[in-house]
Amino acid sequence: DAGVIQSPRHEVTEMGQEVTLRCKPISGHNSLFWYRQTMMRGLELLIYFNNNVPIDDSGMPEDRFSAKMPNASFSTLKIQPSEPRDSAVYFCASSLTGAARITFFGQGTRLTVV
Amino acid sequence: AQKVTQAQTEISVVEKEDVTLDCVYETRDTTYYLFWYKQPPSGELVFLIRRNSFDEQNEISGRYSWNFQKSTSSFNFTITASQVVDSAVYFCALIWWYGGSQGNLIFGKGTKLSVKP
Repeated sequence: DAGVIQSPRHEVTEMGQEVTLRCKPISGHNSLFWYRQTMMRGLELLIYFNNNVPIDDSGMPEDRFSAKMPNASFSTLKIQPSEPRDSAVYFCASSLTGAARITFFGQGTRLTVV
Repeated sequence: AQKVTQAQTEISVVEKEDVTLDCVYETRDTTYYLFWYKQPPSGELVFLIRRNSFDEQNEISGRYSWNFQKSTSSFNFTITASQVVDSAVYFCALIWWYGGSQGNLIFGKGTKLSVKP
């Protein structure tokens, strides 16, 4: 079975440019998460969707960040305009709903903003 | 407030040594779930184990074992006879459940384990 698929794996962009990260969750999973990992802050939850609806976006750092989930099999995280401090590894993860759920992570997108 | 603390930032051992990674958690809830994830140098996060708050039985899986003690709010992870392939960052995480609401994964800062040949 395919796991969570993220693209691209690596992205290098110039400050001010728009960046779009993509995610395909595991088929059948109805919860989707975007996390960001940095040395300073560790793993942070950015936003959480349940059944394609954003439930908690309190972790989104600012208006430059937006996320969408147009259907059960696709989500995007967009940064516009990007800044050097956005450089991090962004993980998409999915699970079935429920506190006992096991969350499965994609391989991450390493974003570098220069 | 919910919190996961992994006090050991980095651990270095020689192959075949046993090593224990500590995890201490805080939650007000009686129902919660604890997890360990492994992040090898390649970067992906790999699920290792899930425990619920009502099951304090220790678990063993090959060279891996987990010790859950509610009395000390700890969920420690031991690798027996460590191998170089165990080198990774290990994360402990918590999901809480309270009054019909549930949280999302709260991660500790991780412990970087280096196993040297």
